[in-house]
Amino acid sequence: GAGVSQTPSNKVTEKGKYVELRCDPISGHTALYWYRQSLGQGPEFLIYFQGTGAADDSGLPNDRFFAVRPEGSVSTLKIQRTERGDSAVYLCASSPDRAGEQYFGPGTRLTVT
Amino acid sequence: GQQLNQSPQSMFIQEGEDVSMNCTSSSIFNTWLWYKQEPGEGPVLLIALYKAGELTSNGRLTAQFGITRKDSFLNISASIPSDVGIYFCAGQGRNSGGSNYKLTFGKGTLLTVNP
Repeated sequence: GAGVSQTPSNKVTEKGKYVELRCDPISGHTALYWYRQSLGQGPEFLIYFQGTGAADDSGLPNDRFFAVRPEGSVSTLKIQRTERGDSAVYLCASSPDRAGEQYFGPGTRLTVT
Repeated sequence: GQQLNQSPQSMFIQEGEDVSMNCTSSSIFNTWLWYKQEPGEGPVLLIALYKAGELTSNGRLTAQFGITRKDSFLNISASIPSDVGIYFCAGQGRNSGGSNYKLTFGKGTLLTVNP
């Protein structure tokens, strides 16, 4: 079946601009996660959705970052007033309603110039 | 926050050799997972471990959940060129409100296999 998909695969933007990154999870998965991966590092947690609600947003670095999942399926990560330090690969993962087993998408590589 | 120490950072081996890598934590985890990531791709789940002491295999891969719940190892037997990639361990705690929760990742082990 179809895995987690993310669009765009690459995004180049200028400092100060607004960007949206989209995640389409595996059909039927109720849990959705966003992670950020910098070069040479493992992914770092940003936010977790159970259904439509953000159950844990403790990983969001500051209030420029926001994510929504209005219908409990597709999620959008929104970054306002982008900074060069936001450059990274943004990964989305989904899981069925049990512990473990998170399945990742291919990521969106964000470059802020 | 929680830290996972993954070692070695990198390995260069000959095709056919066995590989072992491990991960240790200062905190207890309820679940350990191992992922493989190739350039330009997201991490791919290899093995999930749910019980302390559990030993699980997936083809040539074997992983164990340490008894103390603070460590895990991954072995790859008879390596082949397509095993090349970065291997990540990840620990998952348990949110008191539910069974799904964030993963904490190590920094990865870069594996290179010479044919």
